[in-house]
Amino acid sequence: GAGVSQTPSNKVTEKGKYVELRCDPISGHTALYWYRQSLGQGPEFLIYFQGTGAADDSGLPNDRFFAVRPEGSVSTLKIQRTERGDSAVYLCASSLNPGPNTEAFFGQGTRLTVV
Amino acid sequence: DQQVKQNSPSLSVQEGRISILNCDYTNSMFDYFLWYKKYPAEGPTFLISISSIKDKNEDGRFTVFLNKSAKHLSLHIVPSQPGDSAVYFCAASPGDKIIFGKGTRLHILP
Repeated sequence: GAGVSQTPSNKVTEKGKYVELRCDPISGHTALYWYRQSLGQGPEFLIYFQGTGAADDSGLPNDRFFAVRPEGSVSTLKIQRTERGDSAVYLCASSLNPGPNTEAFFGQGTRLTVV
Repeated sequence: DQQVKQNSPSLSVQEGRISILNCDYTNSMFDYFLWYKKYPAEGPTFLISISSIKDKNEDGRFTVFLNKSAKHLSLHIVPSQPGDSAVYFCAASPGDKIIFGKGTRLHILP
């Protein structure tokens, strides 16, 4: 399809393990955003890419979280030494240009469960 | 510290009546406000937005009102339809990233 694709849709991992979450944005979209949504909360901003560079990573909770977008398209969110508190739905969004007046399209999310 | 607040976790409205969802914000640097709608197991979808230089924006059944002095915005849906049952997120932006509220679950009653 032509929408934002996130894989896997579900991921169960053991505490302490490393995980990678993938986001395929809409083709041609230069801006890419990662959000995390915990139960009963709204999406919480993590990091935003403009092209290949992270324009704002102020939402990453600590240094266990890292994201890359090496070719300005696909992005990978990496979480090291996972903790139970990392369990959430991780949402990716892309937009043609950065800024809120350009509609951001969200993927369905990856539900991460750390046991 | 929540910068975007939706104080009503849920709202039930009769089909055909008006649904009013409210949102308050604390950051006066926000210059753009948005509403997103979310169905279960799907990502949020953009609904309507408003620039801080306006006080009203209308799109079909959806109207967003902005009161900058009160740091308050609201989304009006009229008439409400069964397909409007979803979680609605209020969001705001200072120019790049978008900051979301916790959401309000809207139930449209038959």
